[in-house]
Amino acid sequence: AQTVTQSQPEMSVQEAETVTLSCTYDTSESDYYLFWYKQPPSRQMILVIRQEAYKQQNATENRFSVNFQKAAKSFSLKISDSQLGDAAMYFCVIGANSKLTFGKGITLSVRP
Amino acid sequence: GAVVSQHPSWVICKSGTSVKIECRSLDFQATTMFWYRQFPKQSLMLMATSNEGSKATYEQGVEKDKFLINHASLTLSTLTVTSAHPEDSSFYICSARTPGGTNEQFFGPGTRLTVL
Repeated sequence: AQTVTQSQPEMSVQEAETVTLSCTYDTSESDYYLFWYKQPPSRQMILVIRQEAYKQQNATENRFSVNFQKAAKSFSLKISDSQLGDAAMYFCVIGANSKLTFGKGITLSVRP
Repeated sequence: GAVVSQHPSWVICKSGTSVKIECRSLDFQATTMFWYRQFPKQSLMLMATSNEGSKATYEQGVEKDKFLINHASLTLSTLTVTSAHPEDSSFYICSARTPGGTNEQFFGPGTRLTVL
């Protein structure tokens, strides 16, 4: 079984600033993927970024990047140049054995 | 690509009636679809895995006789909430996995069910 821990329920960031969302996970699987999904007020789940566990290089996607520490089972998301449209609930997710396990999520607000 | 639709987007029904929610993969064939339930401001909880042409696999604690899942084609899975009660009111989200091994799932927009 997999577990995902997001210990911060809420965070706030000033527009144009940088924010880091933390996440730790646990799994006994050697083959797995890690994701950050965003859920805006519309409630449509949107994939933000994906990391293959076998890759050492941290994934980046425009303003979004991750810090993947495999030994520590840590997978944080950094959002640079925060925009108002980044305000949403963010879920850290692990994919293994064809299933996704979600963390509790963190609500990110962006201050203009 | 990889678009998933759900219908209806919201539904209100009376207690004791049954409600069917459809999940379609619009531009790809999905051998596996998933059904999640989400309570307000909470995480997604996997209810069941729907496999085309075979019985669904339910997560522990999910009543399979109450939440009937049918995956009759490669682009359509349905969730029927039978004899709905107010405690079944929730946001139901489906997802589909594209062929390949990334474990990435594409999500539908969700269905809000309110049982009166």
